[in-house]
Amino acid sequence: AQKITQTQPGMFVQEKEAVTLDCTYDTSDQSYGLFWYKQPSSGEMIFLIYQGSYDEQNATEGRYSLNFQKARKSANLVISASQLGDSAMYFCAMREDTGRRALTFGSGTRLQVQP
Amino acid sequence: ETGVTQTPRHLVMGMTNKKSLKCEQHLGHNAMYWYKQSAKKPLELMFVYNFKEQTENNSVPSRFSPECPNSSHLFLHLHTLQPEDSALYLCASSQLTGPGREALTDTQYFGPGTRLTVL
Repeated sequence: AQKITQTQPGMFVQEKEAVTLDCTYDTSDQSYGLFWYKQPSSGEMIFLIYQGSYDEQNATEGRYSLNFQKARKSANLVISASQLGDSAMYFCAMREDTGRRALTFGSGTRLQVQP
Repeated sequence: ETGVTQTPRHLVMGMTNKKSLKCEQHLGHNAMYWYKQSAKKPLELMFVYNFKEQTENNSVPSRFSPECPNSSHLFLHLHTLQPEDSALYLCASSQLTGPGREALTDTQYFGPGTRLTVL
């Protein structure tokens, strides 16, 4: 079974509107970390936001926020006031409490912001 | 230079060639990683180095040979590759925080990648 599932291969959003990118995960650990990265066409993976499973509040970083629903094992990324520069691939990733440093990535969602 | 740099950005090689990818991090981090990103597949971890020591090898074929001379530099030596090895190779680094919950927050910062084509 996949550990990270991103069910939206592609999404469109109008400039200045908000968009939600879905991510569900599978783990039996009580403690884990969830990350979102942005990958523009240039290739670099840019860290956006982190949510710990033990955090009581949803993470926020500027226009990015996480809609974290632990019971449903979902960690959806919300981008508010979309900008043309937000067009990119977005990846959800998880680190489980195994002592390994590796991140497990989802297959990504391609977001296109339209003017 | 800031962040994580990778050279070359693009590489085309034949199956009999030997080449090396270079990664350098300017963040003072203690861990470095190689990932492979193939078309239509999720990002795959290849190797992890903590304080210059290899701590993870994700069953990578021996035609990929990593080298980490210090905490700031990481190389991936390539020889007798196959066309299916064509991919974007990403390097990352992290502070190596921990243990416990701190370890979970250890954020990885990526370089721009090397786009490799094997003919």
